[in-house]
Amino acid sequence: QITLKESGPTLVKPTQTLTLTCTFSGFSLSTSGVGVGWIRQPPGKALEWLALIYWDDDKRYSPSLKSRLTITKDTSKNQVVLTMTNMDPVDTATYYCAHRTGDGYLDYWGQGTLVTVSS
Amino acid sequence: NFMLTQPHSVSESPGKTVTISCTGSSGSIASNYVQWYQQRPGSAPTTVIYEDNQRPSGVPDRFSGSIDSSSNSASLTISGLKTEDEADYYCQSYDSSSDYVFGTGTKVTVL
Repeated sequence: QITLKESGPTLVKPTQTLTLTCTFSGFSLSTSGVGVGWIRQPPGKALEWLALIYWDDDKRYSPSLKSRLTITKDTSKNQVVLTMTNMDPVDTATYYCAHRTGDGYLDYWGQGTLVTVSS
Repeated sequence: NFMLTQPHSVSESPGKTVTISCTGSSGSIASNYVQWYQQRPGSAPTTVIYEDNQRPSGVPDRFSGSIDSSSNSASLTISGLKTEDEADYYCQSYDSSSDYVFGTGTKVTVL
């Protein structure tokens, strides 16, 4: 079955760069149509889509955060990495990664990882 | 920026029916598929409807989705409401660049 798990720091300081890793199993990111996306959720607030990387290495970013985000994949390790620069306390959130089906929707999600931005 | 607006909260008694709307800010909501995700407290979202009205295996047929082009809205209907349905629900579609957009979220309370 498909599983995803996020890992990374739980606390970062303002202005630092956040690096999160999504390690997955049960699918290959070289399969046509498949992708892995990142979504975040500030405490008590709505989901916000951040980025997505496709099987063919096409990368899509939220327009409002595009300048701060980089998404990459390592197909051999079954990992997707998201980096976000210049972190700010408003970036405090639970960060999720999710599997994108060939039809386009997000069917499996990781458990999420809470990242707090504070000095 | 394309946005999806949902009511902040809805509440109903067990056994009743609730409908959650998801209104697109521009364009035609019917031109892209809409998904619905359920998020129980402290848990990751799960899909309850995909491609406007399709249910993943394991999702009861009490959950149904529809599109109303006249109001540029999608709707999630939960019939035979159960206490386990108490959760936050998010719609999701795509903007003109095919990027993902989530709705503002609706808290469903089962009285």
